[in-house]
Amino acid sequence: AQKVTQAQTEISVVEKEDVTLDCVYETRDTTYYLFWYKQPPSGELVFLIRRNSFDEQNEISGRYSWNFQKSTSSFNFTITASQVVDSAVYFCALSELGFWGANSKLTFGKGITLSVRP
Amino acid sequence: ETGVTQTPRHLVMGMTNKKSLKCEQHLGHNAMYWYKQSAKKPLELMFVYSLEERVENNSVPSRFSPECPNSSHLFLHLHTLQPEDSALYLCASSQDLLAGGPGANVLTFGAGSRLTVL
Repeated sequence: AQKVTQAQTEISVVEKEDVTLDCVYETRDTTYYLFWYKQPPSGELVFLIRRNSFDEQNEISGRYSWNFQKSTSSFNFTITASQVVDSAVYFCALSELGFWGANSKLTFGKGITLSVRP
Repeated sequence: ETGVTQTPRHLVMGMTNKKSLKCEQHLGHNAMYWYKQSAKKPLELMFVYSLEERVENNSVPSRFSPECPNSSHLFLHLHTLQPEDSALYLCASSQDLLAGGPGANVLTFGAGSRLTVL
């Protein structure tokens, strides 16, 4: 069975600090996808990134960067120079292909509540 | 309207009431999902519909009854709920991997329906 562990539950930083959110996953599949979602206080989960299991390249998007390491089954997310608007709950998720082949179901971690103070 | 729209945003009901949650997606996706988000628990997948056919039912009590009349609409019918069913119910949609492209199998979520059962 697949599992996603986000060991950190709450992180508080001061604006402009860098912060890394950890994600460790377990799966028996060789083909899978990893995701990060952001849930601001409004409640809607906002998609941030998808990474497939064959692509271990790290990715940078503005102040966001992701480090995928299959050897340690980790997919960590770093926010550089954090801002107050980054305050939210961040979820890491794992998707294996359903038996129907195409659509996927996400298994989510418990989420990390990030608070960025001015 | 764009994206995934959920109504109502807030619902308070007694244990003997019957109500329904509605989800509508305007993205042309062919799969829709219900997730339950309770306090201090990971998001739990409840139901998956792919091409209007239910392909996943994660041991959800029968007091929750989903309906997918077409690929754009998804309902969750509620009856004789318990107080522990109080939660945020999130609807999502996706396009299957066979469709290809960077957006394939990425779930787009609605803002959720906050349910309180008295």
